[in-house]
Amino acid sequence: GDSVTQMEGPVTLSEEAFLTINCTYTATGYPSLFWYVQYPGEGLQLLLKATKADDKGSNKGFEATYRKETTSFHLEKGSVQVSDSAVYFCALRDQGGKLIFGQGTELSVKP
Amino acid sequence: DAGVIQSPRHEVTEMGQEVTLRCKPISGHDYLFWYRQTMMRGLELLIYFNNNVPIDDSGMPEDRFSAKMPNASFSTLKIQPSEPRDSAVYFCASSFSRYSTDTQYFGPGTRLTVL
Repeated sequence: GDSVTQMEGPVTLSEEAFLTINCTYTATGYPSLFWYVQYPGEGLQLLLKATKADDKGSNKGFEATYRKETTSFHLEKGSVQVSDSAVYFCALRDQGGKLIFGQGTELSVKP
Repeated sequence: DAGVIQSPRHEVTEMGQEVTLRCKPISGHDYLFWYRQTMMRGLELLIYFNNNVPIDDSGMPEDRFSAKMPNASFSTLKIQPSEPRDSAVYFCASSFSRYSTDTQYFGPGTRLTVL
């Protein structure tokens, strides 16, 4: 079945460092890909999405490109802030409408 | 729009008690999803509804779990009897359609602790 694999956390960075969180997927058909963020004690918020190959999703300085050839959707940000500390989830939505999540990657940004 | 609303935000109960979690989806959204989040298993889809009808309940762990959607603006997830291993955060989400391009919007979750 469809699946999503993320790099394990926690990831600890200093403020203004470059961030990459790797995400790869296995899917039949043509899923859409999402990054959700969960701040401590809160629900999941959509960060960005891409619905077809080579699409780039972006929001709040974060970017991810849908790479069909490498089945990847890596999350990047050029300069992280303390306020970016959260858990990040990569997910795919299959043709039937189900969201399938990766295990989540905890990011901690130190001042 | 107020977004997806869940209640209660926190629930502490004793083993064997009945627990009811509530969800109000975003108005106009035809799909409603219930998820469970635990450290061990991550985020799991339990069940989802389309136009108030359960479509896929294959993720419901066992008969102690049941979910209903009596109308377009309200859904419940019930656990009876509850067990300590049910302790988790339960999320409700809704979306306009089932199309893969459509976004699911999540509620703040209910943190359930079963003692």
